[in-house]
Formats: sequence, C-alpha cells, structure tokens
Amino acid sequence: AQSVSQHNHHVILSEAASLELGCNYSYGGTVNLFWYVQYPGQHLQLLLKYFSGDPLVKGIKGFEAEFIKSKFSFNLRKPSVQWSDTAEYFCAVNPYSGGYQKVTFGTGTKLQVIP
Amino acid sequence: NAGVMQNPRHLVRRRGQEARLRCSPMKGHSHVYWYRQLPEEGLKFMVYLQKENIIDESGMPKERFSAEFPKEGPSILRIQQVVRGDSAAYFCASSPSGEGNTEAFFGQGTRLTVV
Repeated sequence: AQSVSQHNHHVILSEAASLELGCNYSYGGTVNLFWYVQYPGQHLQLLLKYFSGDPLVKGIKGFEAEFIKSKFSFNLRKPSVQWSDTAEYFCAVNPYSGGYQKVTFGTGTKLQVIP
Repeated sequence: NAGVMQNPRHLVRRRGQEARLRCSPMKGHSHVYWYRQLPEEGLKFMVYLQKENIIDESGMPKERFSAEFPKEGPSILRIQQVVRGDSAAYFCASSPSGEGNTEAFFGQGTRLTVV
C-alpha cells in the first residue's frame, strides 16, 4: 500500500522567510502528486499538481513544488511567505492508473507565519 | 459557480444517535468521494460513489456507516449509533470524471462531535 510522509508537523516562520515543506511517498509506479492548503475553517484548496512533464510545478499564490522521482519526493516551496499563508498544507499521492479514490494524503503540516 | 456544498458544518450527536451528513457536488460533477479526518491525522478515503452506484467502499467501516448518491439530491453519509470515536471532520469531494488524471474539489467539511 502506498503511503505519504510529511516530515514537519508544525512550522513557524517570520514573514519574508523562505519555506520548504517536505513530502515523501512510497509507491513503485507512476504517480500523480498534489499539494492542498486548508485555511482555518475552510475547505481544502488545490495549490498545485503534477501529472507529467516538467518536474518543477508552479502553483497559485507563488508556491512551487519539485518532483524528484529518484528520491520519491515532492517538496513544496515558497521564496517569501506572508502572514496570509498561515494554514495547514497536505501532500497527496495518486497512482497514475487509479481514479481519484486512490489518493493518499499525508498527515499535514501546520504553518504559522508571524508578522 | 457554487463549489462543493456540505451541510451541516457542525453536528453534535449523543452516543447512540444517528448522524446524516450531506454533500452537494459541483454542477456537472457526477463523482463523489467521502473522506474522514481524525484529530492529528490526514484525510482517509472512505467511499467513492457515482449517481446511484457505490464504486469503491474499501475505506468504509464495516458496520454503522453507509453512503448513497441518489439520482436526485445530495450524497448522504449516514452513521448509525454514533460512538465517541466517530468524532472527526468529514469531507466530501467531487470530480467530473473518474479518470486517473482527475482533480477533485473539496467541500468545507462537516465537523461531527459525539458527546
């Protein structure tokens, strides 16, 4: 069975600091990869996704992620965080051949940005 | 352009009562997924439905839980005889297809508290 690991459960940064959230998965085949964000009291929103092609993916709000196949990783980055980025971030993995019901989520990383 | 609508947002039930959670998918979406998020854990897949059909219920507990997506009306996740361990956030997502390269859109969730 596939699994997803998010190494940091809680991250605290000052505004303008750079962000990198780790995500590793275990699955031997081709995968689709997602990062979702959940602002307090709101639904999950898709930040970015990787299906194929360029492994460096640009998402909304200045976020990007890099798929490194050899490391089974899909880390999320942002050069300069803002207070409004305070939220919980979830990495998710889906086997390429599966429908969305096969998506596995990580346990999430809570990001707190201090003004 | 309404997104995925879940109601109620918060639901309190006493042990032994029934809980009914509703999910109206986005317009044009005929695929619905239910997830459960226990405290300090990631989202866990429960069930995948299309109109009038359960496609995959591999994540559903064997007893007390059921789901439906009738031809008309919202999808319903039903929990009979709730117990304290059922307290969680329940998220619904919808997508336009069940293909592998599919993105699903999430509702705001229903937070169930069993007292």
